[in-house]
Amino acid sequence: DQQVKQNSPSLSVQEGRISILNCDYTNSMFDYFLWYKKYPAEGPTFLISISSIKDKNEDGRFTVFLNKSAKHLSLHIVPSQPGDSAVYFCAAEDTGNQFYFGTGTSLTVIP
Amino acid sequence: KAGVTQTPRYLIKTRGQQVTLSCSPISGHRSVSWYQQTPGQGLQFLFEYFSETQRNKGNFPGRFSGRQFSNSRSEMNVSTLELGDSALYLCASSLAGSGYHEQFFGPGTRLTVL
Repeated sequence: DQQVKQNSPSLSVQEGRISILNCDYTNSMFDYFLWYKKYPAEGPTFLISISSIKDKNEDGRFTVFLNKSAKHLSLHIVPSQPGDSAVYFCAAEDTGNQFYFGTGTSLTVIP
Repeated sequence: KAGVTQTPRYLIKTRGQQVTLSCSPISGHRSVSWYQQTPGQGLQFLFEYFSETQRNKGNFPGRFSGRQFSNSRSEMNVSTLELGDSALYLCASSLAGSGYHEQFFGPGTRLTVL
């Protein structure tokens, strides 16, 4: 039972354009959400997060949006750069501090 | 500050054998979590240890077990290996206090079961 879903396995974007990665969740008790980036042969690294009491968090080129009513999370990368090419995982944390990860979206930024 | 280290990085075993994976967290981190990553399944949570106690457990069979030592280092054991256990096993450490949500991942151990 996948409580966090990333329905797009892959995404290709031109350099300089916006990348939008989406994530849906089913558990309304999740209270914190995170995005991680993973390069091949490396572990995931933290990118950006958002508390359930907020609807937007911005850090440089990265912005995360949370729509609680739709149980939907998105990550916007503007402008996209070739170095952003990686697999992106969204994750949700429940009140018991357990994390649930999506299946990942492979982003390719084309120069 | 050194990152999370995992040993070994690669492992090949045969069905029925058992395996032990090791994880050393970032200094000062008391929480260690283990995940299994397989193609199409993302990161599946195995268990979390905090101060030598298992605090959370995912939906994996009892063949998967773990422990944490007083220095926060953790080991994960898989007994009676099956072909489906072939995966990347990731360890993550965190401060795990109030307000801390970020996990720091190691590079993983790639386990192949033949």
